[in-house]
Amino acid sequence: DQQVKQNSPSLSVQEGRISILNCDYTNSMFDYFLWYKKYPAEGPTFLISISSIKDKNEDGRFTVFLNKSAKHLSLHIVPSQPGDSAVYFCAASFSGSARQLTFGSGTQLTVLP
Amino acid sequence: GAVVSQHPSWVICKSGTSVKIECRSLDFQATTMFWYRQFPKQSLMLMATSNEGSKATYEQGVEKDKFLINHASLTLSTLTVTSAHPEDSSFYICSAPKGQIMNTEAFFGQGTRLTVV
Repeated sequence: DQQVKQNSPSLSVQEGRISILNCDYTNSMFDYFLWYKKYPAEGPTFLISISSIKDKNEDGRFTVFLNKSAKHLSLHIVPSQPGDSAVYFCAASFSGSARQLTFGSGTQLTVLP
Repeated sequence: GAVVSQHPSWVICKSGTSVKIECRSLDFQATTMFWYRQFPKQSLMLMATSNEGSKATYEQGVEKDKFLINHASLTLSTLTVTSAHPEDSSFYICSAPKGQIMNTEAFFGQGTRLTVV
């Protein structure tokens, strides 16, 4: 049973446009959400996070939106750049989990020049 | 940012042998480290939580006698794949959260590609 789901395995976007990556979760105990970027044969790199007490967090070109009632979060990248091409994982944790992360299956983002 | 170093980056071993993977936090102390496994085109699956000075906590379905975890110091955790078989071939990644607050991002090692032949 996947508690964190990324239903789009891939996404292609033109350079300069907005990339929107989506993530859904089922466990209402999750109270902290993170996005990671991963290149092949490398470990994930942290991008941005959001606590469940917020509905938006912004860091430069990256913005994460959280809709708790829908158990949905999204990552917006604008403007998209070719260097953003990678696999993006959303992850979730809850306060009692000793900071263990539950990952989605990832979305391959390709930014076309 | 914080750095977590994992070694080796890749290893090829014969079936039946054991392989040790090291995970080090280079500029911070980590009382807890996590070990993940990733199959091709799949998500990272948590295998176990490594606790400094105590036994590791394994996720359901993970054989503790096969995947030995030792967290001997505040900066080093090791994962030993014992009597490796081809089905153990995978990408293994460790992570360590920095700081004591509950919600914090974890920093990941670069991963180890294990191929058992």
